[in-house]
Amino acid sequence: SAVISQKPSRDICQRGTSLTIQCQVDSQVTMMFWYRQQPGQSLTLIATANQGSEATYESGFVIDKFPISRPNLTFSTLTVSNMSPEDSSIYLCSAQTGDEQFFGPGTRLTVL
Amino acid sequence: QKEVEQNSGPLSVPEGAIASLNCTYSDRGSQSFFWYRQYSGKSPELIMFIYSNGDKEDGRFTAQLNKASQYVSLLIRDSQPSDSATYLCAVSRGFQKLVFGTGTRLLVSP
Repeated sequence: SAVISQKPSRDICQRGTSLTIQCQVDSQVTMMFWYRQQPGQSLTLIATANQGSEATYESGFVIDKFPISRPNLTFSTLTVSNMSPEDSSIYLCSAQTGDEQFFGPGTRLTVL
Repeated sequence: QKEVEQNSGPLSVPEGAIASLNCTYSDRGSQSFFWYRQYSGKSPELIMFIYSNGDKEDGRFTAQLNKASQYVSLLIRDSQPSDSATYLCAVSRGFQKLVFGTGTRLLVSP
């Protein structure tokens, strides 16, 4: 399994600002992902963070709004840009090891 | 039609009983199927995955897969109050990009 940490664990932000979330894995992994879990709902994949190349975004998510970096095999960042209250959510990163995908503790974001 | 469907519950079972959680999926190309447990305010924890038709057992948990019926289930034997959580079904065409259901809330009463 992989141990994943995220920073910050929570934040309250003003609309129009941006927040960068960091995800650190305790071992090198090929695949890292970013998900969003809106209140009372399930997880939705935002993008696959590719090491050394641009992230692969799912339908409904764009790079300008959710830029992602993956500088190496243990670290990734997700930025939520020009935030609005609709971006209030829990953002989770995950890492794939073998056949299993493990999740970080999440970042709870509230946008006022 | 949602890609992955689960009854939202709550499913209430008494302690010691078998809890049966069900999930249907629409993508016939799905190859791997996962069950996660999520406690309130926490992130999902992987319980088990299955990719072959039939049953797969891990301790008190048994996953069952029927690809012809596009149906996957999770049985929890000897349910405990600590099993009370939301159970998320996820499917994938490979073992990477996961599509999640909305989850079933399980309540195990002492």
